Amino acid sequence: DAGVTQSPTHLIKTRGQQVTLRCSPKSGHDTVSWYQQALGQGPQFIFQYYEEEERQRGNFPDRFSGHQFPNYSSELNVNALLLGDSALYLCASSLGNQETQYFGPGTRLLVL
Amino acid sequence: GDSVTQMEGPVTLSEEAFLTINCTYTATGYPSLFWYVQYPGEGLQLLLKATKADDKGSNKGFEATYRKETTSFHLEKGSVQVSDSAVYFCALSDPLGAGSYQLTFGKGTKLSVIP
Repeated sequence: DAGVTQSPTHLIKTRGQQVTLRCSPKSGHDTVSWYQQALGQGPQFIFQYYEEEERQRGNFPDRFSGHQFPNYSSELNVNALLLGDSALYLCASSLGNQETQYFGPGTRLLVL
Repeated sequence: GDSVTQMEGPVTLSEEAFLTINCTYTATGYPSLFWYVQYPGEGLQLLLKATKADDKGSNKGFEATYRKETTSFHLEKGSVQVSDSAVYFCALSDPLGAGSYQLTFGKGTKLSVIP
């Protein structure tokens, strides 16, 4: 049973560029949440997708957007990258209205 | 808003020592509580959880009890191993409505176990 997978594992971008990160949820899960983990900090909730719609959103600017596909996989897009966007981006999946979330290995983004 | 406070690290212990990592929370509702572990260079793994007051979560020798009266969820292990070296995160899951949940994390506690 495949767990949550994310791609790419590492990414280097420059300020002002745009980036797309990808996530495939655990088999059977239909809900995907994205978190940002800055160095030395706990993860911060960005948003959650369910039934191809953004269901909830944390305190992140509109530069952060996402999408969920019919197969439940998801993308996180960040526009106009800032140095402060450098972080580990974690995807988590869950089933419907269940609260336990399972995390992928993350994508480490470095903005220069 | 919701928040989670963990004891500051790093924590360094000798192998077979007793471990306690303190965690307290503030929440408006009735959250479920979790401990996640992050090994170097990896994502988060669910270690254990508890969904209501007085529940005890346990896994791999780790345990934590949901204490509503003290709003705490301290992580304990009787005898740590070198392989337990990692960062431990306490988190709460508060319902946002319509079957949606958001995790709120503490800042993490780094544990190093030396032989």
